[in-house]
Amino acid sequence: NAGVTQTPKFQVLKTGQSMTLQCAQDMNHEYMSWYRQDPGMGLRLIHYSVGAGITDQGEVPNGYNVSRSTTEDFPLRLLSAAPSQTSVYFCASSAHAISPLHFGNGTRLTVT
Amino acid sequence: AQSVTQLDSHVSVSEGTPVLLRCNYSSSYSPSLFWYVQHPNKGLQLLLKYTSAATLVKGINGFEAEFKKSETSFHLTKPSAHMSDAAEYFCVVSMNYGGSQGNLIFGKGTKLSVKP
Repeated sequence: NAGVTQTPKFQVLKTGQSMTLQCAQDMNHEYMSWYRQDPGMGLRLIHYSVGAGITDQGEVPNGYNVSRSTTEDFPLRLLSAAPSQTSVYFCASSAHAISPLHFGNGTRLTVT
Repeated sequence: AQSVTQLDSHVSVSEGTPVLLRCNYSSSYSPSLFWYVQHPNKGLQLLLKYTSAATLVKGINGFEAEFKKSETSFHLTKPSAHMSDAAEYFCVVSMNYGGSQGNLIFGKGTKLSVKP
């Protein structure tokens, strides 16, 4: 019973590098989202998707891209990493708009 | 506009004593409200949710929360703290008119410490 799987668990990047954070869910959920968590800030929504082929911006989308080609996968791309993107990133999914979220265990990203 | 305020950034209790984590919200619509728990180096896990049924909501691990519309509050309580309750807790509000995850608002979190 995998739920939401995020890879990698840890990543260190140099400023200007690009990378993709992977997220996959096996619950056939329509709704998926990416959050970043910073100390004292709670969780802030980066991008979300209400189904395959449909994405939208959240509160802090700058510097990130997403796509949703399948129901299962929702990768987050950092185009040109900056130190301000040092954070813990969480992927989440839910069956419906206001259903409880199922979270992955996070990716801890450091940008030097 | 919606907002959610967790009134304490850090709460410390002794094992066996009651826990109270406070959350106030504002919402123009009838809200759905959630409490999530996050243990160290883990993702968030749902504790309980309120969606306009009973105002007293029971969750996992002995936690419960009461929705008080007149006070716009949704405080989380537990009669007796256990060491394993030490974690960070998040109050979340969602509009209840069929919006998307873009309408979820997270509080900034309350870190609960439990002393032996």
